[in-house]
Order: sequence, then structure tokens, then C-alpha cells
Amino acid sequence: GENVEQHPSTLSVQEGDSAVIKCTYSDSASNYFPWYKQELGKRPQLIIDIRSNVGEKKDQRIAVTLNKTAKHFSLHITETQPEDSAVYFCAAIQSPGAGSYQLTFGKGTKLSVIP
Amino acid sequence: NAGVMQNPRHLVRRRGQEARLRCSPMKGHSHVYWYRQLPEEGLKFMVYLQKENIIDESGMPKERFSAEFPKEGPSILRIQQVVRGDSAAYFCASSPRGADTFSGNTIYFGEGSWLTVV
Repeated sequence: GENVEQHPSTLSVQEGDSAVIKCTYSDSASNYFPWYKQELGKRPQLIIDIRSNVGEKKDQRIAVTLNKTAKHFSLHITETQPEDSAVYFCAAIQSPGAGSYQLTFGKGTKLSVIP
Repeated sequence: NAGVMQNPRHLVRRRGQEARLRCSPMKGHSHVYWYRQLPEEGLKFMVYLQKENIIDESGMPKERFSAEFPKEGPSILRIQQVVRGDSAAYFCASSPRGADTFSGNTIYFGEGSWLTVV
């Protein structure tokens, strides 16, 4: 099955700096890659996603890049703010069988933005 | 439009008891997924259901765990004879339709049910 590796596991940045989180996946047939933000005790919230026919996608301070050849994708947060502090998860869709839609998650990155 | 609704939010069970977690998908969504999150870890897929159908249960432990999504009512994740290792957050998610990798069908998570086994 699909295997998603995520690095780093923890990341501390100064407010205003950029943060980059990287993920690799194993199944070359995977072609949908969402990113979720989870605050302590809360549900994972989708913040951005990218599909394999796109190399980069941007939404205000958040961008995601995808390199299908290398099988890795990254989350970039610019001008970080304290409210960006949370755990971020990358995910990839495992190649579906007949009607299966199984997201495989990375282990998460705990981002701390220091004021 | 209410989001994915889960209850109870917190549940405490003694070892050997049963736990029942309920999930009502977003309005218009007919596909439900259950994920388990252990403390300090990521989300692990358990099961994917449509109404009256289990589509993929490859992530479900073989014993004590079962899930259903009846024609009427919420999806239920049932854990029999709970053990300490079952303590975790159980998240339900839903989507309007199932596997369609070209559209990247987005799934939305509920607030989770935190199970503590004492």
C-alpha cells in the first residue's frame, strides 16, 4: 500500500519567517495530495490540496508544490503568524480499488511560531 | 450546512465494556470514513462505508471492531470488550461521492470522539 513520510516532525520558526514541510510518497499512481492543519483537541482541517496534473498551487500565504517524478510534495507557509502554530499532516490517496478512497497520512509536523 | 457531526465527543469506558461512536455525515454526503488517531501520531484509516455497504475495511482490526452505515441514521463504529490500547481519538469524515482520483474528492472531518479506557 501507500506509504507517506513527513519531515520534520517538529519545526520552530520566528514570526514572519517561512516554514517548509516536506512529504514523500511511495505509490506512483497516487494523484491527490491534501494538507490538513490540526490544532490541539480539534479536528483536522483541510487547508490546501493539489492534484497530480498541477505542479504548484497557492492560496494567500500557503503554497504547495508537487514533484511527481521524485514523488514528493511540500507545504510552504510564508510570513508565519502565531496562529499558524498547529500540527500539519500531509496525505496521499492510495490507488483505489473498486470504489475505495483511502487517504494515507504522514505522521505530522508540529509547527511552533515564536512571536 | 452543518458539518460532520460526531458523538459522543468524549467517552470513558472500563476494560471489557463496549464503546459505540456515532457519525452523521455532512448533508448531501453519502460516503463515510473512520480514522483513528493515537496520541502524538497521525491518522490511520480504518474503514470506508457507503449506505448499507462496507467498501473498504482494510484498516479495521480483525476482532472486536465493527462499523455500519444503515439506510437511516448515523454511521456507528462499535468496539467490543475495549482494552487500554483502544484509547484514542476516532475521527469520522465524509464526502459527497467516493473514489474519483481525477477530481480529488475532498473529505471533511468531524470533531472526533475521544475514547478513554480505564
